[in-house]
Amino acid sequence: AQSVAQPEDQVNVAEGNPLTVKCTYSVSGNPYLFWYVQYPNRGLQFLLKYITGDNLVKGSYGFEAEFNKSQTSFHLKKPSALVSDSALYFCASNTGGFKTIFGAGTRLFVKA
Amino acid sequence: NAGVTQTPKFRILKIGQSMTLQCTQDMNHNYMYWYRQDPGMGLKLIYYSVGAGITDKGEVPNGYNVSRSTTEDFPLRLELAAPSQTSVYFCASSSHTGGSNTEAFFGQGTRLTVV
Repeated sequence: AQSVAQPEDQVNVAEGNPLTVKCTYSVSGNPYLFWYVQYPNRGLQFLLKYITGDNLVKGSYGFEAEFNKSQTSFHLKKPSALVSDSALYFCASNTGGFKTIFGAGTRLFVKA
Repeated sequence: NAGVTQTPKFRILKIGQSMTLQCTQDMNHNYMYWYRQDPGMGLKLIYYSVGAGITDKGEVPNGYNVSRSTTEDFPLRLELAAPSQTSVYFCASSSHTGGSNTEAFFGQGTRLTVV
């Protein structure tokens, strides 16, 4: 079965430190991979996506993600975290059709 | 540009009642989706539509119905509310040029409680 895993329920970092939110996938074929962010009482907002090409993808708000085919991972990163980055982050995958698979989400908490 | 608009934002239903969650988008997107979000479970696809008059089931369609009479609107109907349908519901849309590799735009969600 196809799946997306986010192994950490919560990630805690200090403001100014680099952050990583992990995502691994198990899908057949070539995956299209996405990161979304959800702020309290809001819908999901698109951050970035990997379709093909460069393994390092840059997105909104200074976030980037690295696609690693051998490790089937797509970790979200930011060089310097801000308190305002605190939110719920979702990794998602789609290999075709219209059924996007979402991970369970990782709550990022950035402490001032 | 409003994007994807959902109403209502909150609703409490009694068991057995019915209601319709409204969703409209002004981006002329062909593809629309309904998801439910349960704590620690991510998002599950309920129904989706690839254009006016065309709908199909997602992962968790039982207890729900949809219709798509126009490009803009994609209402979700709960006929006999059950406690298991307590959740946060999100409507989303994506462009006609997309499909698999196109990101979705989400509404703000409807928090539904069935008591």
